[in-house]
Amino acid sequence: GIQVEQSPPDLILQEGANSTLRCNFSDSVNNLQWFHQNPWGQLINLFYIPSGTKQNGRLSATTVATERYSLLYISSSQTTDSGVYFCAVVPRKDSNYQLIWGAGTKLIIKP
Amino acid sequence: KAGVTQTPRYLIKTRGQQVTLSCSPISGHRSVSWYQQTPGQGLQFLFEYFSETQRNKGNFPGRFSGRQFSNSRSEMNVSTLELGDSALYLCASSWQSGSSYNEQFFGPGTRLTVL
Repeated sequence: GIQVEQSPPDLILQEGANSTLRCNFSDSVNNLQWFHQNPWGQLINLFYIPSGTKQNGRLSATTVATERYSLLYISSSQTTDSGVYFCAVVPRKDSNYQLIWGAGTKLIIKP
Repeated sequence: KAGVTQTPRYLIKTRGQQVTLSCSPISGHRSVSWYQQTPGQGLQFLFEYFSETQRNKGNFPGRFSGRQFSNSRSEMNVSTLELGDSALYLCASSWQSGSSYNEQFFGPGTRLTVL
């Protein structure tokens, strides 16, 4: 089946810093979503981005479907950005249409 | 528009007991999916319901079951609880089923602890 790899696994930054999180996937996808899981476990939708570029405030994402990767950019980090960031995909060939998850990037923003 | 709601938020059970978790999707969404999240296995798909029918099922034993009601609310049940069932159970809703283009929206989860 499809492999979804996220890097780095852990990231510690000072408040105000910028960061780039990466998601590589091993096969074609029809759906790619980025989520932020806060310390209480809530998964918050960041982007639905199977291809192209989107921006939402300090966050932006780019998916290059032909090269099978997606990037999540966080600028001017705040302590509330801490948590785990997940990339999840639905493979084009998958008849279940369910999300396949990466292992996540744990982000800690220090004040 | 209200988001996905899950009840209860926390549960403590003992081995051998059974548990029922509830999920109410976003208004107008008809598909409900359930996921289990554990530190060791990450996020894993349990099953999906659409129009009161189970559409897809992940690789979990028969002790895990679910159902969906006519108002799209869904319940999942775990019987004969084992220690390994301790996890965060997440429910997601989407507008339709049978399409890989659906964006899924998640509830806050139910944290189950089995003692």
